[in-house]
Amino acid sequence: DAGVIQSPRHEVTEMGQEVTLRCKPISGHDYLFWYRQTMMRGLELLIYFNNNVPIDDSGMPEDRFSAKMPNASFSTLKIQPSEPRDSAVYFCASTLRSRLSGGQFFGPGTRLTVL
Amino acid sequence: KQEVTQIPAALSVPEGENLVLNCSFTDSAIYNLQWFRQDPGKGLTSLLLIQSSQREQTSGRLNASLDKSSGRSTLYIAASQPGDSATYLCAVRNNAGGTSYGKLTFGQGTILTVHP
Repeated sequence: DAGVIQSPRHEVTEMGQEVTLRCKPISGHDYLFWYRQTMMRGLELLIYFNNNVPIDDSGMPEDRFSAKMPNASFSTLKIQPSEPRDSAVYFCASTLRSRLSGGQFFGPGTRLTVL
Repeated sequence: KQEVTQIPAALSVPEGENLVLNCSFTDSAIYNLQWFRQDPGKGLTSLLLIQSSQREQTSGRLNASLDKSSGRSTLYIAASQPGDSATYLCAVRNNAGGTSYGKLTFGQGTILTVHP
């Protein structure tokens, strides 16, 4: 299995631009999680989906952030408009419900820099 | 709201030393606790998972303990090696129910450097 796939790996953009981060979970996994990691705040859960349905989006910082999961094999995290304080590493993770007593599998992350 | 704290924030040791990383959490009603390793510029790799009913888990040179009632976990690394250098993250999963099911709360991590 290829593991969780994220793209792009690095993104540099200017303030005000729209940014779209992509994630492909491990095949068969029915939970998908989006996290953000910064030096100041560490790793924070932004939102998670179960069977493509958003379950908890309480970690989404503000309306500029939105996430979708149109099918079981693809999810996007969009920031519009982007701001310098959005600069961070964004991780996607997935797991299987029957393994929720087990662990989440993390992707390599997307390093976002907003100038 | 669950809060997870890791001590120390950074640790530098000579190769061969045994070491302990500490993790504490404020809400003892957890489902399980997980230790991760993160290498620079990389994602997270799960090291050990302890269910709330367990006291410890072992994998090779790693041993993780859990004292749920006191809200503490330790990760013990025996005979440390330079390849162990990484950031170690502790994460707790809240009990099932409501929107908290499956949600991990992470500590800030301990940056470990093992020098030859």
